[in-house]
Amino acid sequence: IAGITQAPTSQILAAGRRMTLRCTQDMRHNAMYWYRQDLGLGLRLIHYSNTAGTTGKGEVPDGYSVSRANTDDFPLTLASAVPSQTSVYFCASSETGGSYNEQFFGPGTRLTVL
Amino acid sequence: AQSVSQHNHHVILSEAASLELGCNYSYGGTVNLFWYVQYPGQHLQLLLKYFSGDPLVKGIKGFEAEFIKSKFSFNLRKPSVQWSDTAEYFCAVMPQRGYQKVTFGTGTKLQVIP
Repeated sequence: IAGITQAPTSQILAAGRRMTLRCTQDMRHNAMYWYRQDLGLGLRLIHYSNTAGTTGKGEVPDGYSVSRANTDDFPLTLASAVPSQTSVYFCASSETGGSYNEQFFGPGTRLTVL
Repeated sequence: AQSVSQHNHHVILSEAASLELGCNYSYGGTVNLFWYVQYPGQHLQLLLKYFSGDPLVKGIKGFEAEFIKSKFSFNLRKPSVQWSDTAEYFCAVMPQRGYQKVTFGTGTKLQVIP
């Protein structure tokens, strides 16, 4: 693994189903993030984690949950998917300990909720 | 909370034309500024970043950006674009103090015509 991987690459999901998007990084970054990218809205932060064992809410957290059991993994769960959650989801990571930290992005997951 | 505005949503240029993409932010304190690029079908990659010092920042692939504090601007420039620069460009801002939440602009799609 080099950088950040996300799975699946794309998924079509029926409304009401539960779905977990996976994200793994091998850079030993402390901070990880989930964004959704929608046309005309740019990237919006869903949830973040500054370090393993802690998580926080971003701009658009409703309908999503995350966990951070270890440094490398940061799964995003949709408990009961709705069509408005159709989007492209990007996971990102960065070092912490200062404010001079760029974010590195994964390849994205394209999710369609019908 | 900070915000970012990218005024140009879609820009079409011929090869060899000069490029300037606007980015303005609002925030009461000191910020770090970023430009990311997303090539078609790919994830976001960092083009350049400004943390402090020389307000003219040079990035990869011949891009540069100038931080003008009095105008709260961080415009992206390239003297001569190539077809391979066709992509979506995102400006982002992050406060230097407090929780390091990155806010992205809505993006500018650049189309370079051969």
